[in-house]
Amino acid sequence: DTEVTQTPKHLVMGMTNKKSLKCEQHMGHRAMYWYKQKAKKPPELMFVYSYEKLSINESVPSRFSPECPNSSLLNLHLHALQPEDSALYLCASSQLGMNTEAFFGQGTRLTVV
Amino acid sequence: QQQVKQSPQSLIVQKGGIPIINCAYENTAFDYFPWYQQFPGKGPALLIAIRPDVSEKKEGRFTISFNKSAKQFSLHIMDSQPGDSATYFCAASYGFQKLVFGTGTRLLVSP
Repeated sequence: DTEVTQTPKHLVMGMTNKKSLKCEQHMGHRAMYWYKQKAKKPPELMFVYSYEKLSINESVPSRFSPECPNSSLLNLHLHALQPEDSALYLCASSQLGMNTEAFFGQGTRLTVV
Repeated sequence: QQQVKQSPQSLIVQKGGIPIINCAYENTAFDYFPWYQQFPGKGPALLIAIRPDVSEKKEGRFTISFNKSAKQFSLHIMDSQPGDSATYFCAASYGFQKLVFGTGTRLLVSP
């Protein structure tokens, strides 16, 4: 199983809402990532978890709050987002170590209204 | 220094043609150079990757050429097919966690 599963596939939320994005993998990967991708742009790294601990935060606003409850799950909690936060949010996972392949999920298309 | 420059932005070739996508980087600490393919509505998928101690790598119809002294690398797609129509991203990383993506190339292969 080389799949990274993200739910939901689509999400529309208001600026005062609280929502969560979920990501799951069963490949035994101990590194998990959140990326943000705007239309016609490359993915941009947001957060990296290694062994369920946050290891990289790319200066992401606090309205995005990641959580890694166990080695298979990764969440992204959203609160008080702005319309400019509308994007495709991608989860990825990889083995720890040098030059390992990152497997991406198909993403959650988020629209903030 | 962290940027990876990619060109062209878009590319149209006929079926059977050989599209070539080029990337350039500045940071000599980069030591892993993957290429990702992304279809609309999908996440990126690894196509092929190369390390700087290798000048060329082939996997099926896909070939990476790597020029370490020029800090450039490129993707060639042999005998391109309409199913290859997608957006292609080059990327670079050092260590094991920080992938820096190029700006992307939208490829259209006409039948």
